[in-house]
Amino acid sequence: AQSVTQLGSHVSVSEGALVLLRCNYSSSVPPYLFWYVQYPNQGLQLLLKYTSAATLVKGINGFEAEFKKSETSFHLTKPSAHMSDAAEYFCAVSASLSGGYNKLIFGAGTRLAVHP
Amino acid sequence: GAVVSQHPSWVICKSGTSVKIECRSLDFQATTMFWYRQFPKQSLMLMATSNEGSKATYEQGVEKDKFLINHASLTLSTLTVTSAHPEDSSFYICSARGQGSSGANVLTFGAGSRLTVL
Repeated sequence: AQSVTQLGSHVSVSEGALVLLRCNYSSSVPPYLFWYVQYPNQGLQLLLKYTSAATLVKGINGFEAEFKKSETSFHLTKPSAHMSDAAEYFCAVSASLSGGYNKLIFGAGTRLAVHP
Repeated sequence: GAVVSQHPSWVICKSGTSVKIECRSLDFQATTMFWYRQFPKQSLMLMATSNEGSKATYEQGVEKDKFLINHASLTLSTLTVTSAHPEDSSFYICSARGQGSSGANVLTFGAGSRLTVL
């Protein structure tokens, strides 16, 4: 079984400050890990994913995440927040599967607010 | 590449009617499609997994007679909410898994369909 825990349902940062969104996972098999962003009334946009290659993954919009197996974590960071980063962020885990991705299990989400 | 189109994006219907939502992979063949449901301010909950040409596998607690899923081709899956009621109002999102034009495995989400049942 797999699960994801996102610590902090709401995170608020100042524009230009570091963004840190926390994600811990549980998986009985080697995981694939994902971060998605969702703007109001829109679908999901993939920020980045870990699929057992480099543990430090760089994504779009300046985001990156580091896979730490010993800590079962996959925290999302961005050095400098921008107003446009305000959105809902979801961490997701999937069992690695030869031939493709398996179903994704999502965390509860973290709403990021960025204030001037 | 690897684009998934979901239609309609918004739908309002009367209680008791049925609504069909389509999920299409535009530039790749989707061997598997996943259907999720998202309540306001909540996360995505997997409803079912469908493989092309076979019956969908539903998650525990999801009524398969209520949420009919068809995956008759490698580019199209449909979710039909039968005899919809206000509690079925939600945001439904599909994702498709397959191989892109480069041969790499892809997993792409549709933009979602917001259903409101009056």
